[in-house]
Amino acid sequence: AQSVAQPEDQVNVAEGNPLTVKCTYSVSGNPYLFWYVQYPNRGLQFLLKYITGDNLVKGSYGFEAEFNKSQTSFHLKKPSALVSDSALYFCAVRARGNTPLVFGKGTRLSVIA
Amino acid sequence: SQTIHQWPATLVQPVGSPLSLECTVEGTSNPNLYWYRQAAGRGLQLLFYSVGIGQISSEVPQNLSASRPQDRQFILSSKKLLLSDSGFYLCAWSVLISFGQGNEQYFGPGTRLTVT
Repeated sequence: AQSVAQPEDQVNVAEGNPLTVKCTYSVSGNPYLFWYVQYPNRGLQFLLKYITGDNLVKGSYGFEAEFNKSQTSFHLKKPSALVSDSALYFCAVRARGNTPLVFGKGTRLSVIA
Repeated sequence: SQTIHQWPATLVQPVGSPLSLECTVEGTSNPNLYWYRQAAGRGLQLLFYSVGIGQISSEVPQNLSASRPQDRQFILSSKKLLLSDSGFYLCAWSVLISFGQGNEQYFGPGTRLTVT
């Protein structure tokens, strides 16, 4: 079975500082990994994904994520946080095949001015 | 471009009443369709997904059901709502996935359901 763990319920960071939101996964075979962001009372917005190739993936709004196969991790990063980045972030995984994404429980990011 | 619609945006229903939430996708054909529920602003629970008309997979046995009467229409229903059905319901779509492809899911704006 495939699963995703987001070990932090809440991450607080000062505006302008780098941010990291952690994600680890468990899946048989090579995974497809995704990050989404959700603002209050809104649907999820796709940020970025890893399929294959370069371990550093760049996405929307200046976010990037690093795939680490040996540590089975896919942490979301941004060099300089903005107050507007405050939101709920979800990591998701899909093993190969026509199956739905499996989501982590989410990490709430709070960027403080 | 593709768009996904959900309605209504908010809904307040008494316990025991029926439910019908609708989701439609525009600008694509043969999408995979999904219903998720989000409780208390946190994790997503997959309820149903569909890879084609009339093909519904149920992930969680409960008093909800789903139907796909048309290619780009996905309906979530209940005959009798429970208090525990309250939550934020999200519909999503993705392109039909061939083996070996990793296509993202795109989400609708959601329906906030409060059962009183």
